[in-house]
Amino acid sequence: AQSVTQLDSQVPVFEEAPVELRCNYSSSVSVYLFWYVQYPNQGLQLLLKYLSGSTLVKGINGFEAEFNKSQTSFHLRKPSVHISDTAEYFCAVSDVFGNEKLTFGTGTRLTIIP
Amino acid sequence: NAGVTQTPKFQVLKTGQSMTLQCAQDMNHNSMYWYRQDPGMGLRLIYYSASEGTTDKGEVPNGYNVSRLNKREFSLRLESAAPSQTSVYFCASRRDGNSGNTIYFGEGSWLTVV
Repeated sequence: AQSVTQLDSQVPVFEEAPVELRCNYSSSVSVYLFWYVQYPNQGLQLLLKYLSGSTLVKGINGFEAEFNKSQTSFHLRKPSVHISDTAEYFCAVSDVFGNEKLTFGTGTRLTIIP
Repeated sequence: NAGVTQTPKFQVLKTGQSMTLQCAQDMNHNSMYWYRQDPGMGLRLIYYSASEGTTDKGEVPNGYNVSRLNKREFSLRLESAAPSQTSVYFCASRRDGNSGNTIYFGEGSWLTVV
């Protein structure tokens, strides 16, 4: 079974400052990793995912994440945030061996301060 | 570009009442899912359907039933609603059970049980 830990439930950041949202996972098998974003009163949409290959993954809206197998982490970063990045961000993990289940973290609410 | 459509968007139920949440996807996906989202708990899988005619329990199935009516539609039924079922419900779909494939979400259904 897999698990995901997002230690920061809320992260306030000034506009145009950099941000890092932390995600750590636990699994006994190889995994795929995902970051989803949820804007207020909307469903979740995929920001980026790591399947294999380069450990640095680039996604939409200028976000990127780095897979670190030794530290079992998949932190999300953006060099300069905008007001429109205000949302909740979910890290998720799934088993590479075809398991239907996607396990989500508890989410990090990113608030951009003008 | 409908994607995943779920209805109703908002519903208030009295304890003991029943209701069905409807979901349809137009992406010809094989796999469909129902999640619930609660504050501080992320998304938890209620039921999923890997293909037309099959359904399986997820992490929190108690108090729910599902029907995969055809390839497009996957409904979630609350037979006797309880206040603990107050939540935001998301329907989602994926091309198939390959865990590297992206899961696409509907916009959510806000359910309050009083």
